[in-house]
Amino acid sequence: DIQMTQSPSTLSASVGDRVTITCRASQHIGGWLAWYQQRPGKAPKLLIYKTSSLENGVSTRFSGSGSGTEFTLTISSLQPDDFATYFCQQSGSFGQGTRVEIK
Amino acid sequence: QVQLQESGPGLVKPSQTLSLSCNVSGGSITSGDYYWNWIRHHRGKGLEWIGNIYHSGPTDYNPSLKSRVTISLDMSKNQFSLKLTSVTAADTAVYYCARAIAPLRGIFYFDYWGQGTPVTVSS
Repeated sequence: DIQMTQSPSTLSASVGDRVTITCRASQHIGGWLAWYQQRPGKAPKLLIYKTSSLENGVSTRFSGSGSGTEFTLTISSLQPDDFATYFCQQSGSFGQGTRVEIK
Repeated sequence: QVQLQESGPGLVKPSQTLSLSCNVSGGSITSGDYYWNWIRHHRGKGLEWIGNIYHSGPTDYNPSLKSRVTISLDMSKNQFSLKLTSVTAADTAVYYCARAIAPLRGIFYFDYWGQGTPVTVSS
């Protein structure tokens, strides 16, 4: 089984900050990594698929990059709606999540 | 716009079978190249993929749950279902249904999710 490890588990930031979340895979996964945002009590929302492809309707503040075993999600300028938990995913494996909270 | 909605009991007794349904609206579960999935989220932990079913019938399950899981389709109702047998407290979680796009064999990601339904296993 592929293990996905995210860091950090919690991130404190302010509106306007640039933030980066890292996801590492236990083995090479090619480019098939997705990122999701989950607000409390809501379903996860697809942000990025295939490492860097932005899902329709998702703000261009969000971007993804990486290859092989290391991937990143970047939020260029944090907005109030962005305070949430973010998960990476490769097929049947999810990262444990990164909670982005207000500093 | 595709929408998914989970339904089923919120409380299940230990050793019994957990049964949930996912109603799909805004599109047919038999059209397109999609997989229909169940995923769960234990409080304080990450998401866990349970398994999926393709519209023509093949299923794929998480190896850690495979012996207890059955996912099936009801095309007449445009629904798919989850059965998880011999449940314990460890199966207490929020259960989500989701649609997956599978661009390559064994590769998939989830573009639509239900709101989730909490299930507690307790006597």
